[in-house]
Amino acid sequence: GNSVTQMEGPVTLSEEAFLTINCTYTATGYPSLFWYVQYPGEGLQLLLKATKADDKGSNKGFEATYRKETTSFHLEKGSVQVSDSAVYFCALTIMIYNQGGKLIFGQGTELSVKP
Amino acid sequence: GAVVSQHPSWVICKSGTSVKIECRSLDFQATTMFWYRQFPKQSLMLMATSNEGSKATYEQGVEKDKFLINHASLTLSTLTVTSAHPEDSSFYICSARGRRSYNEQFFGPGTRLTVL
Repeated sequence: GNSVTQMEGPVTLSEEAFLTINCTYTATGYPSLFWYVQYPGEGLQLLLKATKADDKGSNKGFEATYRKETTSFHLEKGSVQVSDSAVYFCALTIMIYNQGGKLIFGQGTELSVKP
Repeated sequence: GAVVSQHPSWVICKSGTSVKIECRSLDFQATTMFWYRQFPKQSLMLMATSNEGSKATYEQGVEKDKFLINHASLTLSTLTVTSAHPEDSSFYICSARGRRSYNEQFFGPGTRLTVL
């Protein structure tokens, strides 16, 4: 089946620390991969995406590379800020005949950055 | 671009009443809209997928008669929680996909429903 697995949280870091949130997936076919961020009390915002193997998505200092050989899409940031505190969701889209893409989410990883 | 709104942002109602939540795509035509439910500190659970002008497709385990979805136009979908009970209290999030964004969904800010 299709699924996404993220490292468990919460992850607590000090400001300016390096961040890695692991994400691996299983999928039939060739999924597109996404990272979404959810700030407290809000909906989801797309952080970055990659649509094919070896693509690197990047935004606001965050990066993730689509690794087909390891079925991974790990999220990284070189220097986190307090404002990065949020829940991060890894997701993939599988294409369903006549329905387009359906998102499958990982369980989410809560990040807390302390000053 | 690609802004999705939800209304209301939060609602409190008495047990047994029905609540309607609106989801609108503000600057694009949404050929498909999705409704998700999220419990505290958990991931999003897809409830149903709706295409404009046709009946919604519900995920396994989601009660069709409980959660009524209408996608009457290319910019509006509604979710009605009928005869709400405390266990229906949750965060409901919609997303929308347009013709030009075949594999990308744009999310609304969510609606917090509390049933007393």
